Amino acid sequence: LAKTTQPISMDSYEGQEVNITCSHNNIATNDYITWYQQFPSQGPRFIIQGYKTKVTNEVASLFIPADRKSSTLSLPRVSLSDTAVYYCLVGDMGTGFQKLVFGTGTRLLVSP
Amino acid sequence: DSGVTQTPKHLITATGQRVTLRCSPRSGDLSVYWYQQSLDQGLQFLIQYYNGEERAKGNILERFSAQQFPDLHSELNLSSLELGDSALYFCASSVGHRGGNPGTQYFGPGTRLLVL
Repeated sequence: LAKTTQPISMDSYEGQEVNITCSHNNIATNDYITWYQQFPSQGPRFIIQGYKTKVTNEVASLFIPADRKSSTLSLPRVSLSDTAVYYCLVGDMGTGFQKLVFGTGTRLLVSP
Repeated sequence: DSGVTQTPKHLITATGQRVTLRCSPRSGDLSVYWYQQSLDQGLQFLIQYYNGEERAKGNILERFSAQQFPDLHSELNLSSLELGDSALYFCASSVGHRGGNPGTQYFGPGTRLLVL
């Protein structure tokens, strides 16, 4: 069962690139890595997902090293509206009775 | 709006009581997931259903149970409630897969449960 840890908080300024790392030492072979964003009193919102190497979409990039024991969410040129809590989620939701494990969450504060 | 609906939005009850939380997934989604979010435990996966069948189980207490109905909506039943059960309960849905890429989960707005 994967255990996931993240930095508790990070501070940044508008226009900067932010990298948030999630450590998942016990990731299983079939586990995918997904990142979510959560605003206060709202449900988490999907950002990006990957299995290995690098994935990029219109809002973020996800870097996964070869050993897959960690992953890094990269947010380019953050804005004030990116202030939120970011979670990684590790697990395989398709085969057998596997658990899904959320990271501890990273609170990102973006300042002007 | 994720397309996932949860009712009720807020629930206040007493210790020892039983409550039912309801979730309607996005149209076309076959998988439903339940999560608990509390200040001290963070986001905890409880249980997943796929097309009416239990697919995966997380840290769900024996006092809690869930089911997914033929119309794909799901209910989470919490019984013998304790003060520590006070939390936000989220439902999420996804297309659902038998293996490999799990796809995107879409989360509902949550039900805030307060046990007094």
